[in-house]
Amino acid sequence: DVKVTQSSRYLVKRTGEKVFLECVQDMDHENMFWYRQDPGLGLRLIYFSYDVKMKEKGDIPEGYSVSREKKERFSLILESASTNQTSMYLCASSLIGAVNNQPQHFGDGTRLSIL
Amino acid sequence: SQQGEEDPQALSIQEGENATMNCSYKTSINNLQWYRQNSGRGLVHLILIRSNEREKHSGRLRVTLDTSKKSSSLLITASRAADTASYFCATVPVPLGGADGLTFGKGTHLIIQP
Repeated sequence: DVKVTQSSRYLVKRTGEKVFLECVQDMDHENMFWYRQDPGLGLRLIYFSYDVKMKEKGDIPEGYSVSREKKERFSLILESASTNQTSMYLCASSLIGAVNNQPQHFGDGTRLSIL
Repeated sequence: SQQGEEDPQALSIQEGENATMNCSYKTSINNLQWYRQNSGRGLVHLILIRSNEREKHSGRLRVTLDTSKKSSSLLITASRAADTASYFCATVPVPLGGADGLTFGKGTHLIIQP
């Protein structure tokens, strides 16, 4: 089974801190994604990566950056955390090309609170 | 940007009954996928239906797709308490958007009463 592991289930940080969320997948997937999930808004894509050192902006990249130095690991960085970034963050991975009918595999999420 | 919209937003039924959730979308699609999310957990892929398919089954799940109406339905038969979860549809539009084009709806929250 594909396993996507997010480093923390719950995280509490302070406004202005630099926050790192880590995600690791064990199935050699090319694609990796970071979403945030908020009540009433559903899942919104922050960033994605289709290869090592490659990244593309999603729908809401402002205030975030990402890093993919190794194929299995995709990090989401909050450069200077703000209270409006309090949310559930979900990482996912997939084989190349959803157009090729490949599903996304999700981690269990990190519930981040910014105080 | 959101393309899929699930209906209803919430659904409560008795155990053993069938549950039907609907998804509407706006643009042409390559395929449509359904995911389940248990409370506080990540999403789990349930089933994928291609644009040239009309119906697909997987265990107690039945998915239909009507591309002329730009809609899909997910039927869960003989529901169980463990089916309590949120269900999301996700579409791959044509032409492709970013991130392989997968766009999620806001979900239907299904509660199965024992």
